[in-house]
Amino acid sequence: EVQLVETGGGLVQPGKSLKLTCATSGFTFSNAWMDWVRQSPEKQLEWVAQIKDKSNNYATYYAESVKGRFTISRDDSKSSVYLQMNSLKEEDTAIYYCTPGGLFWGQGASVTVSS
Amino acid sequence: DIQMTQTPSSMPASLGERVTISCRASQGISNYLNWYQQKPDGTIKPLIYYTSNLQSGVPSRFSGSGSGTDYSLTISSLEPEDFAMYYCQQYDSSPLTFGSGTKLEIK
Repeated sequence: EVQLVETGGGLVQPGKSLKLTCATSGFTFSNAWMDWVRQSPEKQLEWVAQIKDKSNNYATYYAESVKGRFTISRDDSKSSVYLQMNSLKEEDTAIYYCTPGGLFWGQGASVTVSS
Repeated sequence: DIQMTQTPSSMPASLGERVTISCRASQGISNYLNWYQQKPDGTIKPLIYYTSNLQSGVPSRFSGSGSGTDYSLTISSLEPEDFAMYYCQQYDSSPLTFGSGTKLEIK
């Protein structure tokens, strides 16, 4: 059974940092290109970041809205992907999902940025 | 970025009814179009990939079609579990972009 479990969400003040973790199992993580996708309170889905696999040199890509503030990384030995979020803004408030190219989805981690 | 315009934003429908949700891309996306279903608890389920291919385990009452800039998702006969949110998503070019969603409601 495929599982993706996002953790690390919470309430944080603007300008602060948060790190999300997505622990996976049930599929060949090391070969997967992993994405973070977020859903705003208005229910709009937005792709945030992607990290490719080792054979693609772990190349990373970001949405313009988070470039320079967010960093995606992975640990194949732990079948986990991470999202380091710095300089958070109120508009980053969302549910954050990790997904291998949309094929499987977790329950998401809630991030609220508010003073 | 490619904009995905999804219509309607909400759709009241009855059990057994046939419904169609549309998605228009701001430029051609060469059939690189996925459809997802999201239940009220937030669970997201992939339904269709590459315009018309059903994901494993998806009932055959779901179908997808389209080409160029215009795509659609059809449910041939609504079942109770089909009342949910539906999203299209293009993966022709980066960044991946989603439609704004269609809420399928019980009439």
